[in-house]
Amino acid sequence: DTAVSQTPKYLVTQMGNDKSIKCEQNLGHDTMYWYKQDSKKFLKIMFSYNNKELIINETVPNRFSPKSPDKAHLNLHINSLELGDSAVYFCASSQLGVRQPQHFGDGTRLSIL
Amino acid sequence: TQLLEQSPQFLSIQEGENLTVYCNSSSVFSSLQWYRQEPGEGPVLLVTVVTGGEVKKLKRLTFQFGDARKDSSLHITAAQPGDTGLYLCAGAVDSGGGADGLTFGKGTHLIIQP
Repeated sequence: DTAVSQTPKYLVTQMGNDKSIKCEQNLGHDTMYWYKQDSKKFLKIMFSYNNKELIINETVPNRFSPKSPDKAHLNLHINSLELGDSAVYFCASSQLGVRQPQHFGDGTRLSIL
Repeated sequence: TQLLEQSPQFLSIQEGENLTVYCNSSSVFSSLQWYRQEPGEGPVLLVTVVTGGEVKKLKRLTFQFGDARKDSSLHITAAQPGDTGLYLCAGAVDSGGGADGLTFGKGTHLIIQP
């Protein structure tokens, strides 16, 4: 059973389009995250949610809008895609607490043409 | 903003050699985690250290958290080709919410040649 699953795995689209990435976890965790990994493999936190509520928004452009319909899901919608949005986006989940291990999905590779 | 300086960025050594990866910061972290990432997959946790001076061992891997909780190291003894991968250190700071997310280093690309 996949613990943290993201769809789609690959997303190729034109500049200016709107797209969504979905994430689901079956670990029973309360906390979920979105990270962006650039071409140099640097991972940076974008958002964190706890129990469906936004906790962290790390100066991400408001074209990015996360939405958590329930504790097991955290989706990411991106409006007006730009070339600089090309990256791998990772969803993760954990129990609440800074010492808790985070469980990552396999990533969504977003390519903007 | 917390920063984690990870070094070296790239390391290619022969099978059987030892190596150390360093992760340094001017900030104090509540915990320091080490992850390993394979191509096309997400990072997978190797270890979490939370106490200053703590040392944890995972087979041939030894992890240490600095006394001041600002730095950490990963030492691999007698490296094997199966150790090849991207190693990431990540620090967590407790702002009270418990859901701050991790601050990652830039990673160490490790290649162990047979």
